[in-house]
Amino acid sequence: DTAVSQTPKYLVTQMGNDKSIKCEQNLGHDTMYWYKQDSKKFLKIMFSYNNKELIINETVPNRFSPKSPDKAHLNLHINSLELGDSAVYFCASSQGYGGTEAFFGQGTRLTVV
Amino acid sequence: SQQGEEDPQALSIQEGENATMNCSYKTSINNLQWYRQNSGRGLVHLILIRSNEREKHSGRLRVTLDTSKKSSSLLITASRAADTASYFCATDASNSGYALNFGKGTSLLVTP
Repeated sequence: DTAVSQTPKYLVTQMGNDKSIKCEQNLGHDTMYWYKQDSKKFLKIMFSYNNKELIINETVPNRFSPKSPDKAHLNLHINSLELGDSAVYFCASSQGYGGTEAFFGQGTRLTVV
Repeated sequence: SQQGEEDPQALSIQEGENATMNCSYKTSINNLQWYRQNSGRGLVHLILIRSNEREKHSGRLRVTLDTSKKSSSLLITASRAADTASYFCATDASNSGYALNFGKGTSLLVTP
């Protein structure tokens, strides 16, 4: 069983389109995250979310929005895609707040053309 | 905001040798973690060391933490080709909410 799964694994789309990446965790964790990894492998937190609170990295454009239908899912919606959005996006989860082990999905490689 | 900074950026060694990677961070932390990322894959947790610990071992891994210098090191002993990956340190600084702040990583290549 995959602990944190995200789909799709690859996503190629044109500028201006709207797309979504789905993430599900079966670990019973109460906190989920979205990270963006750029071409230099730098990982940047985009969102942290648990059943009580959403924390948004203020540098993330508002074209990006997380949607959590339930505790096990945190999807990422991106509107009006731009070339600079091309990156690998990772979903992760952990039990409790920061300071515990995080489990990562396999990543979604987004290419905007 | 980025917290950790790994050093070196890249490291190439032969199987059987030891690999040492360093991480420096900027603000006070509750703990520090190390993760491994194989090419094209997600990150995998290796080890967590709390701010009141100085050293921790897990199999061939040894992690040290010096909070006075705001630095940590990861030692992989008797390296294997399968250890080839990128290694990241991560901290949970109080200004990061729930999330971990990652460094830029060290790319380790272990050749047979």
